[in-house]
Amino acid sequence: KAGVTQTPRYLIKTRGQQVTLSCSPISGHRSVSWYQQTPGQGLQFLFEYFSETQRNKGNFPGRFSGRQFSNSRSEMNVSTLELGDSALYLCASRSIPLQYNEQFFGPGTRLTVL
Amino acid sequence: AQSVTQLGSHVSVSEGALVLLRCNYSSSVPPYLFWYVQYPNQGLQLLLKYTTGATLVKGINGFEAEFKKSETSFHLTKPSAHMSDAAEYFCAVSEGGGSQGNLIFGKGTKLSVKP
Repeated sequence: KAGVTQTPRYLIKTRGQQVTLSCSPISGHRSVSWYQQTPGQGLQFLFEYFSETQRNKGNFPGRFSGRQFSNSRSEMNVSTLELGDSALYLCASRSIPLQYNEQFFGPGTRLTVL
Repeated sequence: AQSVTQLGSHVSVSEGALVLLRCNYSSSVPPYLFWYVQYPNQGLQLLLKYTTGATLVKGINGFEAEFKKSETSFHLTKPSAHMSDAAEYFCAVSEGGGSQGNLIFGKGTKLSVKP
């Protein structure tokens, strides 16, 4: 079974631009979560989607948004990029959010904001 | 609110030596606990997890961890380190007792293995 895939793997943007990252979960998985990883703050939860609905949201500004499609693929969008948004963005999937949280992570998208 | 503390941001051991990575958690509900490993330029790979039942949990690559409720700890061990174990290790607790989609991670411990 293929793992979680994320595209693109690397992105370079400038301040003020917006960016969209994509995540395809493991086949059959219906829940997708997003995390931001930075050297200073570590790994922080952004949001989780299940059945095209946001179930839970972390403490991030409204510039960070996401959505999920009927095939469970998810995208996250960051508008008006700031230098501090430079990070590794990780996507994780799990089958359904009614069991313990065994999440499977993708390789991440490395975003650099100049 | 739940939290995770990993003692030691860097740990260095010799090849063949015991690996001990420390993790303490804070949780108001019975916790679900996890250890993940991250190799350079890669995502996170699950090493092992504790949900309920047996407190000694065995994972992949010879790692194991013991859930100690009285000490609120979930330390990761491996009897004999290999060079391939060099990576960053993250302890995490599942917020909300398991149904919520967010993991609370510790800051990570970078493990170096000397030949």
